[in-house]
Amino acid sequence: EVQLVESGGGLVQPGRSLKLSCAASGFTFSNYYMAWVRQAPKKGLEWVATISTSGSRTYYPDSVKGRFTISRDNAKSSLYLQMNSLKSEDTATYYCARQPAFFDYWGQGVMVTVSS
Amino acid sequence: DIQMTQSPASLSASLGETVTIECRASEDIYSNLAWYQQKPGNSPQLLIYDANSLADGVPSRFSGSGSGTQYSLKINSLQSEDVASYFCQQYNNYPWTFGGGTKLELK
Repeated sequence: EVQLVESGGGLVQPGRSLKLSCAASGFTFSNYYMAWVRQAPKKGLEWVATISTSGSRTYYPDSVKGRFTISRDNAKSSLYLQMNSLKSEDTATYYCARQPAFFDYWGQGVMVTVSS
Repeated sequence: DIQMTQSPASLSASLGETVTIECRASEDIYSNLAWYQQKPGNSPQLLIYDANSLADGVPSRFSGSGSGTQYSLKINSLQSEDVASYFCQQYNNYPWTFGGGTKLELK
């Protein structure tokens, strides 16, 4: 059974940093692109970052480019999202997702609140 | 960026009714479209991919269709467990983008 479990969320002040983690199990992690998708409270879904199988290629929308960094450790079947210079508009639930093309499995999500 | 426009934004329907949700892309996405269901308090789940392929474990009352820029999700014989928000998403071009969502409620 595919499982994705996020951790690392919480309350953080504007301008500070936070790192999210996602522990994957139930599939061969190194064979899949992985992604982060977020959802602001009562809002829709926004893709945040994608990483290739080896980690050599990463992709970001303009809204987070230069502030967020996605990475992975295939030996640990883990995905990460380093978030720097956080803004109030980054407040959201962050989901880890497997991405063969579409997002076929999602974690339960972790809440990040950016507020002073 | 490809804009995804969903309609309606909200929908109220009765048990047993057939429901259709539309999704329009700002350019041709060549059927590289997925639909997701998000029940209240839960994470999204994949329903449909490649515009019309049912994901594993999804009931056959769900179906997807469309091509080019116009796509739809149909739910036959609406059940109470179908109360949820539904999102379309294109994966033809980076950046990958979602529709604004449709909130489905029971009448």
